[in-house]
Amino acid sequence: EAGVVQSPRYKIIEKKQPVAFWCNPISGHNTLYWYLQNLGQGPELLIRYENEEAVDDSQLPKDRFSAERLKGVDSTLKIQPAELGDSAVYLCASSPPIADQETQYFGPGTRLLVL
Amino acid sequence: SQQGEEDPQALSIQEGENATMNCSYKTSINNLQWYRQNSGRGLVHLILIRSNEREKHSGRLRVTLDTSKKSSSLLITASRAADTASYFCATDGGSNYKLTFGKGTLLTVNP
Repeated sequence: EAGVVQSPRYKIIEKKQPVAFWCNPISGHNTLYWYLQNLGQGPELLIRYENEEAVDDSQLPKDRFSAERLKGVDSTLKIQPAELGDSAVYLCASSPPIADQETQYFGPGTRLLVL
Repeated sequence: SQQGEEDPQALSIQEGENATMNCSYKTSINNLQWYRQNSGRGLVHLILIRSNEREKHSGRLRVTLDTSKKSSSLLITASRAADTASYFCATDGGSNYKLTFGKGTLLTVNP
């Protein structure tokens, strides 16, 4: 079974530029999460989707961050414009339908460096 | 905001020794999970313990949970160099399956 796929794995941009990250969850997983992980810290939830609906986006900085999950499968996280403080690893995770939703399966992450 | 806090922040041991990591948290939980993160990789789920459980085993892993002290411990027995990673505890405090992670313990197992 393929795991959660993320691309790109690494991205270097200059501040004020836009950037987008893509995630393909495990097949059949209806819940998708985006996390931000700063160096030396644990992941922090940005947004959670149930199918195509964003059910928890309270931690998403909506002035510059946006996300979408069209058709309830793949998801894109965008930052526009990027700031120096956005340098971090962006992790995508998915979990199966409710019966076993407690465990999350993470992708390898996208490491973003903003110069 | 971080809910869990792991202790120690870093741990270095020799191959074959046991490694113990602790996690403390602040609010009530439904379950507590441990994840491992190797350098350059995503997080991998190791084990989940529910709030009504006190101890759980999985292979070389043993997890305990003390809800009265709001703490958990992860024991890795007979450690291997491949166990070198960061270990995070994550708490699930409600019905929305939101995980709150600690800062992690960096475990180094020397061959």
